[in-house]
Amino acid sequence: AQSVTQLDSQVPVFEEAPVELRCNYSSSVSVYLFWYVQYPNQGLQLLLKYLSGSTLVKGINGFEAEFNKSQTSFHLRKPSVHISDTAEYFCAVCVPNTGNQFYFGTGTSLTVIP
Amino acid sequence: GAGVSQSPRYKVTKRGQDVALRCDPISGHVSLYWYRQALGQGPEFLTYFNYEAQQDKSGLPNDRFSAERPEGSISTLTIQRTEQRDSAMYRCASSLTGFTGELFFGEGSRLTVL
Repeated sequence: AQSVTQLDSQVPVFEEAPVELRCNYSSSVSVYLFWYVQYPNQGLQLLLKYLSGSTLVKGINGFEAEFNKSQTSFHLRKPSVHISDTAEYFCAVCVPNTGNQFYFGTGTSLTVIP
Repeated sequence: GAGVSQSPRYKVTKRGQDVALRCDPISGHVSLYWYRQALGQGPEFLTYFNYEAQQDKSGLPNDRFSAERPEGSISTLTIQRTEQRDSAMYRCASSLTGFTGELFFGEGSRLTVL
């Protein structure tokens, strides 16, 4: 079975400061990895994904994430956050070719302080 | 449509009543997923369809929950004899075809069972 752990439920950060949102996963097989963002009163939208290839993945809005197989991590980073980045962020995994079932973490609430 | 549309956005019902939640996916999207999200948690997989065929219903919590997608487009999630523990946000997502690495989510239907 697969599971996703997001250790930080809430992350406050000042505007223009860097941020890292942590994600660790557990799986006995290779997985695809994703970060989704949820703005207030909206649906989840894809930030970035890792399927294969380069372990450093760049997404929308200046976010990037690095896949670390040995540490089973997929941490999300941004060098300088904006007020508009305030949202809920979800890490997710999916096992290829097994029915497309996504497993989500419990989410990290990012609050950018002016 | 331009995006995934869910209705109703909010539903308040009394314990023991049946409810039907509707999802209209992005036009042309083959796969349709239902997730449930409790407060402070990540989305939890319920079931998914490719066209009209229900491929996986392993996430449905019990036999009070059912879903259908009779013409391969609009889907309905039905909860019979609702209980207070069914209160949650129910999210629908669609994807273009097979596994594309991206789910497009609707805004969700918030169900409250009194």
